[in-house]
Amino acid sequence: AQSVTQLGSHVSVSEGALVLLRCNYSSSVPPYLFWYVQYPNQGLQLLLKYTTGATLVKGINGFEAEFKKSETSFHLTKPSAHMSDAAEYFCAVSVGTSYGKLTFGQGTILTVHP
Amino acid sequence: DAMVIQNPRYQVTQFGKPVTLSCSQTLNHNVMYWYQQKSSQAPKLLFHYYDKDFNNEADTPDNFQSRRPNTSFCFLDIRSPGLGDAAMYLCATSRVTLSSYNEQFFGPGTRLTVL
Repeated sequence: AQSVTQLGSHVSVSEGALVLLRCNYSSSVPPYLFWYVQYPNQGLQLLLKYTTGATLVKGINGFEAEFKKSETSFHLTKPSAHMSDAAEYFCAVSVGTSYGKLTFGQGTILTVHP
Repeated sequence: DAMVIQNPRYQVTQFGKPVTLSCSQTLNHNVMYWYQQKSSQAPKLLFHYYDKDFNNEADTPDNFQSRRPNTSFCFLDIRSPGLGDAAMYLCATSRVTLSSYNEQFFGPGTRLTVL
């Protein structure tokens, strides 16, 4: 069975600083990997995904993530944080089940302070 | 714009009083999912429909049921809500085929309060 671990339930950065949210996964088969963002009282919005091909994937709002098979990691980064980035971020993995089941990490709350 | 719509956004019900949450989609996706998300937790999959085929997660309580009358609509029925069922309920859709998998698209959620 697959699993996802997000290191750090809370991350705090200054506006303009680098954002790094960590995600490690466990899977016995090549995974599909996703990052979603959730603002308060809203649904989840896809930031980016890795399925096959290029291991560095770019997403919306300036975010990117790199799939590192040897480290079983899929960390999310953004060079310069903006106040509007404050939200909860979920890493998720799918191993291509017949119905695309997602297994989510526990989430990381990102705080951006002036 | 194609999207996933959930109604209502906020629902208040009384302990034990049946409640139905609604989800509709204009994406024409073949799979629809219902998740429960409690405060400060990750979404937890309750069940999904693959076309007309209903699939329950093993640990989903019997108190939760679902209906999908057509491709566009899916309903979550909670037969006798308890205080522990207060949560955000998220509907999601995806186009899943044997040869490809795409991401799930989420609705804005319905926040259920049980009094």
